[in-house]
Amino acid sequence: GAVVSQHPSWVICKSGTSVKIECRSLDFQATTMFWYRQFPKQSLMLMATSNEGSKATYEQGVEKDKFLINHASLTLSTLTVTSAHPEDSSFYICSANDRGRGEQYFGPGTRLTVT
Amino acid sequence: KNQVEQSPQSLIILEGKNCTLQCNYTVSPFSNLRWYKQDTGRGPVSLTIMTFSENTKSNGRYTATLDADTKQSSLHITASQLSDSASYICVVSPSGGSYIPTFGRGTSLIVHP
Repeated sequence: GAVVSQHPSWVICKSGTSVKIECRSLDFQATTMFWYRQFPKQSLMLMATSNEGSKATYEQGVEKDKFLINHASLTLSTLTVTSAHPEDSSFYICSANDRGRGEQYFGPGTRLTVT
Repeated sequence: KNQVEQSPQSLIILEGKNCTLQCNYTVSPFSNLRWYKQDTGRGPVSLTIMTFSENTKSNGRYTATLDADTKQSSLHITASQLSDSASYICVVSPSGGSYIPTFGRGTSLIVHP
């Protein structure tokens, strides 16, 4: 079945550094991918919509210069957390729409801890 | 404003018992409603997806219902197992446009032996 992968699954970084998270659709092409952030015991919050070949659309309150999104191909979107701070520590999840199957698949998530 | 409300917020049941989770939504125009199961520290996994014309859909011990007129859905879990302990999220997608879904806050289910 369709699978969406994320890499890395967890990462620990120092405050002030940047971290890149990859999201891949493994057996389908995704013109649109979504990036979510989830804090403990809370629901997923949409950060941005990633569109292949064009700029991402960010939700209100999400800093586009801090969370850089690049959707370079139909199977890969990346989220870069720049100058990370401890408050950026969270669970980041991507999803991709398989329009052929009419399904939305989620990646397994990336746990980011900023020390 | 599109909203998805889930209840209860949390639920504790004994293994083997049944339970029902509720989802009310205001998303319009409506395309589909999905129920996801999310284990702690994992990404959500799809349980069911229903479109406007579907009233009931089952996936093993999970049965989802949809009343598009009242904009309500329920997820019924039969003969619960310890592995059912997770967060269950209701997600409603609009038709047309950007296809951005609206997430409920989820119901946290704990199944005790």
